[in-house]
Amino acid sequence: EVQLVESGGGLVQPGGSLRLSCAASGLTFSAAWMNWVRQAPGKGLEWVANTNPDGSEKYYVDSVKGRFSISRDNARNTLFLQINSLRVEDTALYYCAAWTDSSYWGQGTLVTVSS
Amino acid sequence: DVVLTQAPLSLPVTLGQPASISCRSSQSLVAGDGNIYLEWFQQRPGQSPRRLISFVSNRDSGVPDRFSGSGSGTDFMLQISRVEAEDVGVYYCFQYAHRPHTFGPGTKLEIK
Repeated sequence: EVQLVESGGGLVQPGGSLRLSCAASGLTFSAAWMNWVRQAPGKGLEWVANTNPDGSEKYYVDSVKGRFSISRDNARNTLFLQINSLRVEDTALYYCAAWTDSSYWGQGTLVTVSS
Repeated sequence: DVVLTQAPLSLPVTLGQPASISCRSSQSLVAGDGNIYLEWFQQRPGQSPRRLISFVSNRDSGVPDRFSGSGSGTDFMLQISRVEAEDVGVYYCFQYAHRPHTFGPGTKLEIK
């Protein structure tokens, strides 16, 4: 059974930082494109970033470029999202999602940016 | 950026009746390799999204065959042949033919 478990969310002040993690099991992590997708409270889905299987390619939505950094550790089957210079509008549930032969999603980790 | 427009945004349906959701793209979703990178996701209340359809019309494993996808170029459709109670939720189209990847705004399906 594929499991993606996100962690690292929390309450942070504007301008603060967090590092989100996603621990994967039950899939060939090193063969999967890995994504972060977020969902603001009561809103729709927004694709945030992804990285290719070996981590050499990284792509971001414009609103997070220069502030967010996606990375992965294939030896530990773990995906990361370093989020800096947080803004109130970054408040959302952050999902980790794997695209392989299928699409797998975690339960999300909540990031709340508030003073 | 590619903008995906869905219609309707709210879809009340009687149990057992069909339902259709349109997704229109601001650009062609045909990639250089000839594939069309358009997917459909379902998000039930309180749950994580689940992919239903990939490459316009390929149903994921375990997805009931009452769900079907169609379309080409910039116009796509998700159809449910007979709506069941478990189909309540929000449906999103998603494109990854272009970067940044984008989701549609979502269509909320409810039972009348």
